[in-house]
Amino acid sequence: QQQVKQSPQSLIVQKGGISIINCAYENTAFDYFPWYQQFPGKGPALLIAIRPDVSEKKEGRFTISFNKSAKQFSLHIMDSQPGDSATYFCAASLGAQKLVFGQGTRLTINP
Amino acid sequence: GAGVSQSPSNKVTEKGKDVELRCDPISGHTALYWYRQSLGQGLEFLIYFQGNSAPDKSGLPSDRFSAERTGGSVSTLTIQRTQQEDSAVYLCASSEAETQYFGPGTRLLVL
Repeated sequence: QQQVKQSPQSLIVQKGGISIINCAYENTAFDYFPWYQQFPGKGPALLIAIRPDVSEKKEGRFTISFNKSAKQFSLHIMDSQPGDSATYFCAASLGAQKLVFGQGTRLTINP
Repeated sequence: GAGVSQSPSNKVTEKGKDVELRCDPISGHTALYWYRQSLGQGLEFLIYFQGNSAPDKSGLPSDRFSAERTGGSVSTLTIQRTQQEDSAVYLCASSEAETQYFGPGTRLLVL
């Protein structure tokens, strides 16, 4: 019940396109859903996060869509750029404490 | 300001040896987390310290793993009698609120 399932494992998008990564969770008690971006050799860095009382949050080119009834949330990257090429992790937690991570999506933006 | 730092960056050890991994959190952050990232896998929670409370050790995979946090600041993760399956990147994170800030990790290779 603690799992967070993430798809796809890898994604290739053309520059300027929209990148979409999906996650599903099981534990309805989760109340904090962050997305992290990780570059090779670096630790993950928070990209954007949402709480279940809103259905969408946008920060620049990054948007989280949240569907509480379906227990799903997704990351949309608009106007994808080569610099966005990285591994993206969704996560969930209760009380913003220990995070349960998805398996990660390796995103490649082709120039 | 300074971020989370971890040492060593890389550690190669022989099966059966003990290793100590160090984490220096961001100054003032009361919460400290250890996660493990195996090759091609997501991040797996290991242990969580919050202030002076008893740590949440629910993610430690075996009794060979232990961690301490001295003076509410620096933390050390110890792995005794290392096994090849312990090879992974060990990540430390700290927070004062929702956002967890990750260090660059220690890459552990057990031969």
